[in-house]
Amino acid sequence: EVQLVESGGGLVQPGKSLRLSCTASGFTFSTYGMSWVRQAPGKGLEWVSSISGSGSSTYYADSVKGRFTISRDNSKNTLSLQMNSLRAEDTAVYYCAKGDSSGYVRIPFDYWGQGTLVTVSS
Amino acid sequence: EIVLTQSPDFQSVTPKEKVTITCRASQNIGSGLHWYQQKPDQSPKLLIKYASQSISGVPSRFSGSGSGTNFTLSINSLEAEDAAAYYCHQTSSLPPRFGQGTRLEIK
Repeated sequence: EVQLVESGGGLVQPGKSLRLSCTASGFTFSTYGMSWVRQAPGKGLEWVSSISGSGSSTYYADSVKGRFTISRDNSKNTLSLQMNSLRAEDTAVYYCAKGDSSGYVRIPFDYWGQGTLVTVSS
Repeated sequence: EIVLTQSPDFQSVTPKEKVTITCRASQNIGSGLHWYQQKPDQSPKLLIKYASQSISGVPSRFSGSGSGTNFTLSINSLEAEDAAAYYCHQTSSLPPRFGQGTRLEIK
C-alpha cells in the first residue's frame, strides 16, 4: 500500500525558514517523480515544485522560485522542501504527491499525503 | 502560461442526477488534462487521467472526455458520497496548473 506522510509544518514568522519532509513507502521511491502541491485555507490547489526520480531535475512555480528548494534522499525514501524567506501568502496545507510514472512534472499525481499545515504569521 | 477555467464554481444537485463539470484551457493542451476529487478535510484523489483514462478503484459513474481546450467530467447517477470539490489539472505545458475548482453539494 502506497503511503506518503508529511511532517515539519507549523507556525513560523515572516522571513524565517522551515523544512518539510515526506516519507514514502509501498513503492519503489526512486522510480517516480514527486511533487509538492499546496492549498491555502479555503482555496484551491496550487502546484509548487516537482523533482525527478533521480533528483537530477527540478522545477518550481514562479511564486516560490529562488526561495524554496525541493530535494530527495532515495536511500531514505524521503522527499523534502526547504522553504526560506517565508511570506504570509505561503500559508497553506502542503501536500506531497507521487507522480504516476517515471516522468516528473508532466504527469498526474496518483497518490497524495495527508498534508502538513504551514502558517506564516508574526 | 495556460489558464484553466472550470464551470460551474458551485452546483447543488440531487442524488441520482447526472452532473457535468467543464474545464476550459486557454490554449490547446491535447489530452494532458486530469481530474481530482477532494472531499472535505481529505487529500485530493485522482479520478481521471489524460482526459478520459479511468483509474483503478474509481467508480464507473465517473468519466472524462474532451481534448484540445474543452474537457468534461461527468458523474452519472450521483451519490451522496460524491459531495466534494473537483479540480482539473493540466500537465501538457509548463508550469502545470489546476483549475479553480468546482464544489458539488448534494441536496
